[in-house]
Amino acid sequence: DQQVKQNSPSLSVQEGRISILNCDYTNSMFDYFLWYKKYPAEGPTFLISISSIKDKNEDGRFTVFLNKSAKHLSLHIVPSQPGDSAVYFCAGRFGNEKLTFGTGTRLTIIP
Amino acid sequence: EAGVTQFPSHSVIEKGQTVTLRCDPISGHDNLYWYRRVMGKEIKFLLHFVKESKQDESGMPNNRFLAERTGGTYSTLKVQPAELEDSGVYFCASSQELNTEAFFGQGTRLTVV
Repeated sequence: DQQVKQNSPSLSVQEGRISILNCDYTNSMFDYFLWYKKYPAEGPTFLISISSIKDKNEDGRFTVFLNKSAKHLSLHIVPSQPGDSAVYFCAGRFGNEKLTFGTGTRLTIIP
Repeated sequence: EAGVTQFPSHSVIEKGQTVTLRCDPISGHDNLYWYRRVMGKEIKFLLHFVKESKQDESGMPNNRFLAERTGGTYSTLKVQPAELEDSGVYFCASSQELNTEAFFGQGTRLTVV
């Protein structure tokens, strides 16, 4: 049973435009959500997070939106840059427990 | 400050052999996690150490997998005997506090042939 789902395996966006990566979850116990970015042959690196008591968190070009009623979150990257090309993983967590990851979305920024 | 380091970066072994993966967490990080990603799928939790104690090992696939963290510093993950389905990338991560983000190592790519 996959508790975190990233239904788009890949996404291509023109440089300078907005990239929107989506994530759905089924576990209503999750109280914290994180986005990780992964380059080839490297480990995931933390990007941005959001607590379940908030509906938006912004950090520079990156904004995460949380819709608890829909059990949906999204990551917006504006403007998209070539260095943003990577695999993005969404993860949920309940309390101090482990991270539960999605399958990832490969983002390609087209120059 | 050194990040999380994993050794080896790649390992190719035959079915039935034994492999030991090592993880050195960031110094001072009490929490150490092992995760695994099988080709194209999600990154799945294996287990969590707090210092030298196993806090949660609910993700360990079976008793062919043995994780240790003697002295609460580095950790090893041994697979014995390895099976074909054990192939994947094994990630180690560490965090200082439980409610903070975890820092990941570069991973060990294990191929069982």
